[in-house]
Amino acid sequence: GAVVSQHPSWVICKSGTSVKIECRSLDFQATTMFWYRQFPKQSLMLMATSNEGSKATYEQGVEKDKFLINHASLTLSTLTVTSAHPEDSSFYICSAPLRDTGYEQYFGPGTRLTVT
Amino acid sequence: AQSVTQLDSHVSVSEGTPVLLRCNYSSSYSPSLFWYVQHPNKGLQLLLKYTSAATLVKGINGFEAEFKKSETSFHLTKPSAHMSDAAEYFCVGNTGGFKTIFGAGTRLFVKA
Repeated sequence: GAVVSQHPSWVICKSGTSVKIECRSLDFQATTMFWYRQFPKQSLMLMATSNEGSKATYEQGVEKDKFLINHASLTLSTLTVTSAHPEDSSFYICSAPLRDTGYEQYFGPGTRLTVT
Repeated sequence: AQSVTQLDSHVSVSEGTPVLLRCNYSSSYSPSLFWYVQHPNKGLQLLLKYTSAATLVKGINGFEAEFKKSETSFHLTKPSAHMSDAAEYFCVGNTGGFKTIFGAGTRLFVKA
Protein backbone atom coordinates (compact mmCIF):
# COMPACT_ATOMS: atom_id res chain seq x y z
CA GLY A 1 0.00 0.00 0.00
CA ALA A 2 0.90 3.67 -0.32
CA VAL A 3 3.24 4.99 2.35
CA VAL A 4 3.79 8.53 3.57
CA SER A 5 6.69 9.37 5.83
CA GLN A 6 7.41 12.39 7.97
CA HIS A 7 10.67 13.67 9.35
CA PRO A 8 11.44 14.30 12.08
CA SER A 9 9.06 12.31 14.25
CA TRP A 10 9.65 14.70 17.10
CA VAL A 11 11.55 17.93 17.57
CA ILE A 12 12.23 20.31 20.40
CA CYS A 13 13.26 23.85 19.56
CA LYS A 14 13.73 27.14 21.32
CA SER A 15 11.31 30.00 21.01
CA GLY A 16 12.17 32.25 18.07
CA THR A 17 13.81 29.58 15.94
CA SER A 18 12.41 27.95 12.81
CA VAL A 19 11.66 24.28 12.30
CA LYS A 20 11.20 22.39 9.05
CA ILE A 21 9.06 19.26 8.79
CA GLU A 22 9.22 17.03 5.73
CA CYS A 23 6.43 14.93 4.28
CA ARG A 24 7.27 12.36 1.62
CA SER A 25 5.19 10.00 -0.44
CA LEU A 26 7.44 6.97 -0.71
CA ASP A 27 5.89 4.90 -3.47
CA PHE A 28 3.54 7.20 -5.32
CA GLN A 29 3.43 10.70 -6.68
CA ALA A 30 1.39 13.28 -4.86
CA THR A 31 0.60 16.52 -6.61
CA THR A 32 -1.44 17.48 -3.58
CA MET A 33 -0.63 17.02 0.08
CA PHE A 34 -2.38 18.27 3.18
CA TRP A 35 -1.00 19.57 6.44
CA TYR A 36 -2.95 19.17 9.66
CA ARG A 37 -2.47 20.28 13.21
CA GLN A 38 -3.78 18.30 16.13
CA PHE A 39 -4.05 19.52 19.69
CA PRO A 40 -4.26 16.99 22.53
CA LYS A 41 -7.51 15.06 22.57
CA GLN A 42 -8.84 16.96 19.58
CA SER A 43 -9.52 16.20 15.96
CA LEU A 44 -7.23 17.11 13.10
CA MET A 45 -7.46 20.68 11.89
CA LEU A 46 -6.62 21.25 8.25
CA MET A 47 -4.02 23.98 7.98
CA ALA A 48 -3.24 24.09 4.29
CA THR A 49 -3.26 22.31 0.98
CA SER A 50 0.15 21.90 -0.59
CA ASN A 51 0.22 21.92 -4.38
CA GLU A 52 3.21 20.82 -6.42
CA GLY A 53 4.44 23.63 -8.59
CA SER A 54 2.17 26.31 -7.16
CA LYS A 55 1.42 28.17 -3.99
CA ALA A 56 -0.17 26.45 -1.05
CA THR A 57 -3.76 27.18 -0.14
CA TYR A 58 -4.22 28.09 3.50
CA GLU A 59 -7.31 27.63 5.60
CA GLN A 60 -8.92 30.60 7.23
CA GLY A 61 -7.06 31.73 10.32
CA VAL A 62 -3.77 30.06 9.41
CA GLU A 63 -0.89 32.52 9.04
CA LYS A 64 0.83 31.81 5.75
CA ASP A 65 3.91 33.79 6.73
CA LYS A 66 4.31 31.72 9.85
CA PHE A 67 3.65 28.31 8.36
CA LEU A 68 5.60 28.21 5.12
CA ILE A 69 4.79 25.38 2.77
CA ASN A 70 6.89 24.31 -0.17
CA HIS A 71 5.91 21.45 -2.46
CA ALA A 72 9.29 20.95 -4.04
CA SER A 73 8.58 17.81 -6.01
CA LEU A 74 5.92 15.21 -6.68
CA THR A 75 6.98 13.32 -3.58
CA LEU A 76 7.99 16.00 -1.09
CA SER A 77 6.23 18.77 0.77
CA THR A 78 7.78 20.74 3.61
CA LEU A 79 6.20 22.76 6.38
CA THR A 80 8.40 25.35 8.06
CA VAL A 81 7.24 26.85 11.32
CA THR A 82 8.97 30.22 11.45
CA SER A 83 9.80 32.10 14.63
CA ALA A 84 8.24 29.36 16.68
CA HIS A 85 6.52 30.12 19.97
CA PRO A 86 5.31 27.77 22.70
CA GLU A 87 1.74 28.03 21.41
CA ASP A 88 2.95 26.42 18.16
CA SER A 89 3.70 23.25 20.09
CA SER A 90 1.47 20.60 18.60
CA PHE A 91 1.27 17.37 16.63
CA TYR A 92 1.60 18.05 12.91
CA ILE A 93 0.39 15.44 10.43
CA CYS A 94 0.57 15.40 6.66
CA SER A 95 -1.43 13.35 4.22
CA ALA A 96 -1.49 12.62 0.53
CA PRO A 97 -4.54 11.39 -1.36
CA LEU A 98 -4.70 8.78 -4.08
CA ARG A 99 -7.32 9.47 -6.71
CA ASP A 100 -7.47 5.81 -7.70
CA THR A 101 -8.56 4.75 -4.22
CA GLY A 102 -11.53 7.08 -3.95
CA TYR A 103 -9.37 9.88 -2.62
CA GLU A 104 -8.31 7.84 0.36
CA GLN A 105 -5.85 9.83 2.38
CA TYR A 106 -2.54 8.26 3.32
CA PHE A 107 -1.29 9.83 6.51
CA GLY A 108 2.20 10.36 7.72
CA PRO A 109 3.04 9.20 11.26
CA GLY A 110 3.08 12.78 12.54
CA THR A 111 5.65 15.12 14.00
CA ARG A 112 5.53 16.21 17.62
CA LEU A 113 6.81 19.79 17.92
CA THR A 114 7.65 21.20 21.32
CA VAL A 115 8.74 24.83 21.55
CA THR A 116 10.45 25.79 24.79
CA ALA B 1 -19.26 14.84 2.65
CA GLN B 2 -19.90 18.46 3.50
CA SER B 3 -20.10 17.69 7.17
CA VAL B 4 -19.31 14.70 9.31
CA THR B 5 -20.67 14.33 12.81
CA GLN B 6 -19.50 11.78 15.32
CA LEU B 7 -22.26 11.49 17.84
CA ASP B 8 -20.22 10.41 20.84
CA SER B 9 -17.04 12.05 22.10
CA HIS B 10 -16.20 8.91 24.04
CA VAL B 11 -17.48 5.34 24.31
CA SER B 12 -16.64 2.86 27.02
CA VAL B 13 -17.14 -0.89 26.62
CA SER B 14 -16.01 -4.02 28.40
CA GLU B 15 -13.59 -6.38 26.72
CA GLY B 16 -15.47 -8.96 24.69
CA THR B 17 -18.61 -6.84 24.23
CA PRO B 18 -19.74 -5.19 21.00
CA VAL B 19 -18.49 -1.80 19.87
CA LEU B 20 -20.64 0.84 18.17
CA LEU B 21 -19.17 4.17 17.11
CA ARG B 22 -21.67 6.44 15.41
CA CYS B 23 -21.12 8.73 12.47
CA ASN B 24 -23.58 10.80 10.45
CA TYR B 25 -22.79 12.78 7.35
CA SER B 26 -24.44 15.41 5.25
CA SER B 27 -23.65 15.79 1.60
CA SER B 28 -25.29 16.92 -1.58
CA TYR B 29 -23.39 14.27 -3.46
CA SER B 30 -22.59 10.62 -2.98
CA PRO B 31 -19.71 10.73 -0.54
CA SER B 32 -16.69 8.58 0.06
CA LEU B 33 -16.49 7.75 3.74
CA PHE B 34 -13.67 6.40 5.83
CA TRP B 35 -12.95 5.30 9.36
CA TYR B 36 -9.45 5.84 10.73
CA VAL B 37 -7.94 4.83 14.06
CA GLN B 38 -5.27 6.76 15.90
CA HIS B 39 -3.28 5.39 18.80
CA PRO B 40 -1.59 7.90 21.14
CA ASN B 41 1.13 9.96 19.45
CA LYS B 42 0.72 7.98 16.25
CA GLY B 43 -0.52 8.76 12.79
CA LEU B 44 -3.85 7.63 11.42
CA GLN B 45 -4.46 4.12 10.17
CA LEU B 46 -7.25 3.31 7.75
CA LEU B 47 -9.76 0.82 9.13
CA LEU B 48 -12.15 0.74 6.19
CA LYS B 49 -13.68 2.82 3.43
CA TYR B 50 -16.91 3.19 1.51
CA THR B 51 -16.71 4.34 -2.10
CA SER B 52 -20.19 3.60 -3.48
CA ALA B 53 -19.70 -0.12 -3.92
CA ALA B 54 -21.07 -2.52 -1.30
CA THR B 55 -22.89 -0.74 1.50
CA LEU B 56 -21.53 -3.12 4.14
CA VAL B 57 -17.82 -2.61 4.33
CA LYS B 58 -15.46 -4.91 6.16
CA GLY B 59 -12.19 -3.56 7.45
CA ILE B 60 -9.17 -4.62 9.38
CA ASN B 61 -9.11 -5.99 12.93
CA GLY B 62 -12.70 -7.23 12.74
CA PHE B 63 -14.29 -3.82 12.21
CA GLU B 64 -17.07 -3.17 9.75
CA ALA B 65 -19.36 -0.31 8.85
CA GLU B 66 -22.62 0.01 6.99
CA PHE B 67 -23.48 2.91 4.73
CA LYS B 68 -27.16 3.78 5.14
CA LYS B 69 -28.21 6.48 2.75
CA SER B 70 -31.71 6.78 4.21
CA GLU B 71 -30.24 7.51 7.63
CA THR B 72 -27.14 9.35 6.33
CA SER B 73 -25.12 7.18 8.66
CA PHE B 74 -21.88 5.23 8.53
CA HIS B 75 -21.57 3.63 11.96
CA LEU B 76 -18.54 1.56 12.87
CA THR B 77 -19.04 -1.76 14.65
CA LYS B 78 -17.09 -4.67 16.01
CA PRO B 79 -18.65 -7.79 17.56
CA SER B 80 -16.14 -8.17 20.37
CA ALA B 81 -13.86 -5.47 21.75
CA HIS B 82 -10.24 -6.13 22.54
CA MET B 83 -8.03 -4.14 24.86
CA SER B 84 -5.88 -3.14 21.90
CA ASP B 85 -8.88 -1.43 20.30
CA ALA B 86 -8.66 1.41 22.83
CA ALA B 87 -7.82 4.45 20.71
CA GLU B 88 -9.26 7.51 19.00
CA TYR B 89 -11.47 6.87 15.99
CA PHE B 90 -12.21 9.36 13.25
CA CYS B 91 -14.98 9.28 10.68
CA VAL B 92 -13.84 11.09 7.55
CA GLY B 93 -15.57 11.99 4.34
CA ASN B 94 -15.23 13.76 1.02
CA THR B 95 -17.38 14.45 -2.01
CA GLY B 96 -15.12 13.50 -4.87
CA GLY B 97 -12.38 16.01 -4.37
CA PHE B 98 -9.10 15.72 -2.59
CA LYS B 99 -10.23 17.65 0.45
CA THR B 100 -11.48 15.62 3.38
CA ILE B 101 -13.69 16.50 6.30
CA PHE B 102 -12.97 15.07 9.73
CA GLY B 103 -15.39 14.21 12.44
CA ALA B 104 -14.47 15.38 15.92
CA GLY B 105 -13.34 11.91 16.92
CA THR B 106 -14.57 9.30 19.37
CA ARG B 107 -12.31 7.97 22.07
CA LEU B 108 -12.92 4.30 22.74
CA PHE B 109 -12.16 2.95 26.19
CA VAL B 110 -12.04 -0.80 26.74
CA LYS B 111 -12.38 -2.11 30.28
CA ALA B 112 -10.93 -5.43 31.33
